[in-house]
Amino acid sequence: DIQMTQSPSSLSASVGDRVTITCRASQGISNYLAWYQQKPGKVPKLLIYAASTLQSGVPSRFSGSGSGTDFTLTISSLQPEDVATYYCQQYKSAPQAFGQGTKVELK
Amino acid sequence: EVQLLESGGGLVQPGESLRLSCAASGFTFADYAVNWVRQAPGKGLEWVSGISGSGGGTYYAGSVKGRFTISRDNSRNTLYLQMNSLRVEDTAVYYCAKTQGSGTYYNPFIDGMDVWGQGTTVTVSS
Repeated sequence: DIQMTQSPSSLSASVGDRVTITCRASQGISNYLAWYQQKPGKVPKLLIYAASTLQSGVPSRFSGSGSGTDFTLTISSLQPEDVATYYCQQYKSAPQAFGQGTKVELK
Repeated sequence: EVQLLESGGGLVQPGESLRLSCAASGFTFADYAVNWVRQAPGKGLEWVSGISGSGGGTYYAGSVKGRFTISRDNSRNTLYLQMNSLRVEDTAVYYCAKTQGSGTYYNPFIDGMDVWGQGTTVTVSS
């Protein structure tokens, strides 16, 4: 089974900061990777799929990159509404797997 | 509007069974694979199970394999999860989630999960 490891597990940043979250797969998954945002008490929301394709309606300050085993999610200018937990997910092969999550807070 | 609505959660004792349902609307249900994803209290997301659009392919996390069974009725636009031999560690909010892409025979789960239900809570406790 493919394991997904995210880092950091949490971070604190100021409004306007550039934020980067990394996700590593235990084996190569090409670009079969998605990123989700989950705000407290809410349902997860798909942000990015195919490692770098922005989901319709998602602000352009979000971007994704990577291929193979190493991936990043970047928020170019952190906004208050971006406070959430972010998860990566591989869908290259079953069982699909999520990373453990990265909690983003405001400093 | 594309929607998923889960039902069937509740409080059960360890070893008991429960069947969850997820009613879909607003899209051609049979064209897409669908998944069950759970979230234990205060924890992260865990993919539980998925099923191809035709129902011919079923997939499970190791933690539930042999105890849970996923199925779908495309004539009723409904997804199911039969959960047997429930354990305390199965306590979670269970979400159904639609796969965004149409997928292929070899991989029906393409391009992430774009539509999620609101979740149904399963509590396993004595």
